[in-house]
Amino acid sequence: QVQLQESGPGLVKPSETLSLTCTVSGGSISSSSYYWGWIRQPPGKGLEWIGSIYYSGSTYYNPSLKSRVTVSVDTSKNHFSLKLSSVTAADRAVYYCARYSGSLIYDAFDIWGQGTMVTVSS
Amino acid sequence: DIQMTQSPSSLSASVGDRVTITCRASQSISSYLNWYQQQPGKAPKLLIYAASSLQSGVPSRFSGSGSGTDFTLTISSLQPEDFATYYCQQSYSTLWTFGQGTKVEIK
Repeated sequence: QVQLQESGPGLVKPSETLSLTCTVSGGSISSSSYYWGWIRQPPGKGLEWIGSIYYSGSTYYNPSLKSRVTVSVDTSKNHFSLKLSSVTAADRAVYYCARYSGSLIYDAFDIWGQGTMVTVSS
Repeated sequence: DIQMTQSPSSLSASVGDRVTITCRASQSISSYLNWYQQQPGKAPKLLIYAASSLQSGVPSRFSGSGSGTDFTLTISSLQPEDFATYYCQQSYSTLWTFGQGTKVEIK
């Protein structure tokens, strides 16, 4: 059974870069049926898709964040990563990693990590 | 971007009630619409995909309908564990977007 686990600092200083990693267990990140993505949720607010990556390296970013976001994949470590630069207090949120299944059956975020809270403060 | 708009933003209902949540897309998305349930402090969980298909393990009291721009999530008989926030999400474009959420609260 595939599981995702986020890891990274819970506190980032303003103007610095937020870096998170999502480790995939129980399955290969190199499967051709899946994309791997990041979604965030500010406290008390809704879900915002940040960006996604295919195992081949193709990336897709939310236009509102595109200038600050990089999503990368390391197939040898079976994990993918998020970097968000020049963070401000508005980037304080729970960050989720998720698997997006783009298969003949469905196109949806079907497996999610538990989420990790990131606070931006000096 | 494809904008997703849910209504209502919140609702109060009693156990046993029939509940309907709507989601509207800013352009036609065919049936590329998913619904998620999020319990407080938990990650979202996929409930319905492709507008009307129930994800494995999801109770049959949940159902989805619609195509094009207008979609509906229905809970036929609300149970205590269904009090949560529900989100729609379009998968028509690879610039994925979510609705703003509908919080279902206990009356």
